[in-house]
Amino acid sequence: DSGVTQTPKHLITATGQRVTLRCSPRSGDLSVYWYQQSLDQGLQFLIQYYNGEERAKGNILERFSAQQFPDLHSELNLSSLELGDSALYFCASSARTGTYYGYTFGSGTRLTVV
Amino acid sequence: TQLLEQSPQFLSIQEGENLTVYCNSSSVFSSLQWYRQEPGEGPVLLVTVVTGGEVKKLKRLTFQFGDARKDSSLHITAAQPGDTGLYLCAGDPGTGNQFYFGTGTSLTVIP
Repeated sequence: DSGVTQTPKHLITATGQRVTLRCSPRSGDLSVYWYQQSLDQGLQFLIQYYNGEERAKGNILERFSAQQFPDLHSELNLSSLELGDSALYFCASSARTGTYYGYTFGSGTRLTVV
Repeated sequence: TQLLEQSPQFLSIQEGENLTVYCNSSSVFSSLQWYRQEPGEGPVLLVTVVTGGEVKKLKRLTFQFGDARKDSSLHITAAQPGDTGLYLCAGDPGTGNQFYFGTGTSLTVIP
């Protein structure tokens, strides 16, 4: 158990639908990162939050959005889902912002869009 | 466009053999990390290197950061089945906020 909790572990939904992925960071960690992992693209950075504020954006589609709440948990919202959105979505946390400290990853949410 | 290219992409070896995985880029990185990922799990941090030419050892694993901070290698001595997994390098090109992950090397160690 890494200390980063992601729910649900698996999600199957239809095209056009909207889903919410949830992440609870490791205790004490203020930074949360979202990554998408697919077979052809590898791990792609989506977005980072630090203590409730957005800090960095990667290749995140406009159909996707995220937020970090006062209790530091984060949610990634995916809407108007397409078949190509099927992937593993990982949340990672770190104690501070800045890449030197390394990330602790959760076990991921496997999203299948049918 | 992938900033970090790893080679080989796949590697299957016998228990006890040595191996080296490479992570190359044309970009300079302020820090570079190696992770190992097992099926159904998230990547687990193995090491962070920040100084050009730096060498770090973690039991049977030796990590090296290139002098120009554009490349890195991971050497495993006497591989064991427990080393099986996807090895990922990740570099920060200076943003301070995110890593770019490499393409990954899938290692299988056969008992």
